[in-house]
Amino acid sequence: DGGITQSPKYLFRKEGQNVTLSCEQNLNHDAMYWYRQDPGQGLRLIYYSQIVNDFQKGDIAEGYSVSREKKESFPLTVTSAQKNPTAFYLCASSIVIMGSRNYNEQFFGPGTRLTVL
Amino acid sequence: QKEVEQDPGPLSVPEGAIVSLNCTYSNSAFQYFMWYRQYSRKGPELLMYTYSSGNKEDGRFTAQVDKSSKYISLFIRDSQPSDSATYLCAMSSLGGNQFYFGTGTSLTVIP
Repeated sequence: DGGITQSPKYLFRKEGQNVTLSCEQNLNHDAMYWYRQDPGQGLRLIYYSQIVNDFQKGDIAEGYSVSREKKESFPLTVTSAQKNPTAFYLCASSIVIMGSRNYNEQFFGPGTRLTVL
Repeated sequence: QKEVEQDPGPLSVPEGAIVSLNCTYSNSAFQYFMWYRQYSRKGPELLMYTYSSGNKEDGRFTAQVDKSSKYISLFIRDSQPSDSATYLCAMSSLGGNQFYFGTGTSLTVIP
């Protein structure tokens, strides 16, 4: 089955600890994204990557880091510098077809719920 | 002003009703319009995808885009209790590398 997987489903972090959230896709999509979802605030973009070994900051990148060493994988590290990390984290991917029309459907993984203890 | 505005609701309707969900936007460069359904504690699921203006129908769902008014709608006919979820609109521009989301509308369909 093609799709996006995220692990773990639930994650608990102690104060001062770094944690890494996994995101893998087998859709052969070029672009991958990380969003944070808080109640009543919608989706906020943390980081995105359109190609291997390249990524850009989104609106709320402070306290987070990413890597894109493989096309299929885009892990997110929540560092101790992130003041309020408790949230629902969503990974997404989309295909980038250059030409007269770009097809920009974006698909999401099931999410990881991070709680700071 | 936010790029995308969406009434958060909550919206409560009886089973079988026609539901209308809407978003407005400010960026005239947006060309791609999406509607997602998100159940509680789950990832958003892509429901409808539209390029530029016009209507698109898929079963009980119809998506409309009015670029002149910068207004998009999702209609759900014969609503079912299983349609109870949060509905998110999203959009992006031609060649754009970011997606812009509404805050979501919470819908409850009462049996």
